[in-house]
Amino acid sequence: NAGVTQTPKFRILKIGQSMTLQCTQDMNHNYMYWYRQDPGMGLKLIYYSVGAGITDKGEVPNGYNVSRSTTEDFPLRLELAAPSQTSVYFCASRSPVISYNSPLHFGNGTRLTVT
Amino acid sequence: AQTVTQSQPEMSVQEAETVTLSCTYDTSENNYYLFWYKQPPSRQMILVIRQEAYKQQNATENRFSVNFQKAAKSFSLKISDSQLGDTAMYFCAFMKPGGSEKLVFGKGMKLTVNP
Repeated sequence: NAGVTQTPKFRILKIGQSMTLQCTQDMNHNYMYWYRQDPGMGLKLIYYSVGAGITDKGEVPNGYNVSRSTTEDFPLRLELAAPSQTSVYFCASRSPVISYNSPLHFGNGTRLTVT
Repeated sequence: AQTVTQSQPEMSVQEAETVTLSCTYDTSENNYYLFWYKQPPSRQMILVIRQEAYKQQNATENRFSVNFQKAAKSFSLKISDSQLGDTAMYFCAFMKPGGSEKLVFGKGMKLTVNP
């Protein structure tokens, strides 16, 4: 059981480049989330999805896009990378079945540097 | 909107001692859930303990316990018999059930356990 898998683990981008951070989970979780973690700033929600075909903005969505065509996958797209997007990105998932008692399952994060 | 505040950015403790990490939150909700997550240098996010707001009894998980003061909107984590492996960032988080059920995180606190 792999849980939540994020790729790549590390990436360096030049300003203006684009990339997609991949996230897949094998737990059949409906809920999926993308967070970014900046030093000293905790985790902030970028986008989330409550099921295939449904996505919504979180606290800091500007500069990002997401899609949710399947239950398993929730990719995060950066169209025009900026230095302000240098951060560690976490994907997470959970099941709504016993949602109040179900912990959030995190991937191991992607460290992105934009120079 | 809910906010979570961790006012101590950093703490250190000697091995085998007890340490308390503080967290306050702001919400107008009556039903919610609170969590403490641990993030060791490996970057993995690990659920330490959770508390349901409707439960008066404080949650306990082995060496970890909480002091939940609902009226004061305070949710502190006590680590007893600190171990070197407890060295990590600790994040307090809030979740309102229903809807997206997204977690709102505090900025985190770096705990160092010294030998």
